[in-house]
Amino acid sequence: SQTIHQWPATLVQPVGSPLSLECTVEGTSNPNLYWYRQAAGRGLQLLFYSVGIGQISSEVPQNLSASRPQDRQFILSSKKLLLSDSGFYLCAWTGRGAGGGYTFGSGTRLTVV
Amino acid sequence: GENVEQHPSTLSVQEGDSAVIKCTYSDSASNYFPWYKQELGKRPQLIIDIRSNVGEKKDQRIAVTLNKTAKHFSLHITETQPEDSAVYFCAASIGGGFKTIFGAGTRLFVKA
Repeated sequence: SQTIHQWPATLVQPVGSPLSLECTVEGTSNPNLYWYRQAAGRGLQLLFYSVGIGQISSEVPQNLSASRPQDRQFILSSKKLLLSDSGFYLCAWTGRGAGGGYTFGSGTRLTVV
Repeated sequence: GENVEQHPSTLSVQEGDSAVIKCTYSDSASNYFPWYKQELGKRPQLIIDIRSNVGEKKDQRIAVTLNKTAKHFSLHITETQPEDSAVYFCAASIGGGFKTIFGAGTRLFVKA
């Protein structure tokens, strides 16, 4: 069966520090991968999506970047965090073809101080 | 791009009553409409979905309806229970689940 792993679960980082969040999927190949951010009490904002290795599409210009170095690995990064980067970051995947609902990772709660 | 509006933002019902959450979407090319439930501090989980070639779908106490002409879709929960308390998100996708856009969420409180 397919599983999605996301880490770390919680992170407190100072302003100006770098960020690296990692997401991996098991039990499937060639998934579509996504990064979403959820601000406190708000909806889910699509940040990046990827349809294949090295293929990244950005939905919102901001202080973050994403990379997909391997088929089932998706990384969210920042060189210098801002206070506004605080939030709940969720990785998700879908299969190819017929599509369907997302399976989300367990999320990373990032607090920038 | 696609935009999804959701209302109400907060909904409080008595246990056993019904709850209805409504959404509208902007892009007539959207063809897949999932609904997610998110409990406090946890990840959203898919609870039901509907595709554009279907007008209604039911799964036990939950049902979704879709009006493509009006670009409206709704979630109906009957016989609500305290464990239904959560945030519910509607969403829309052009690519059958690819690049899904979410509504802002509805916080549902079910009072025992």
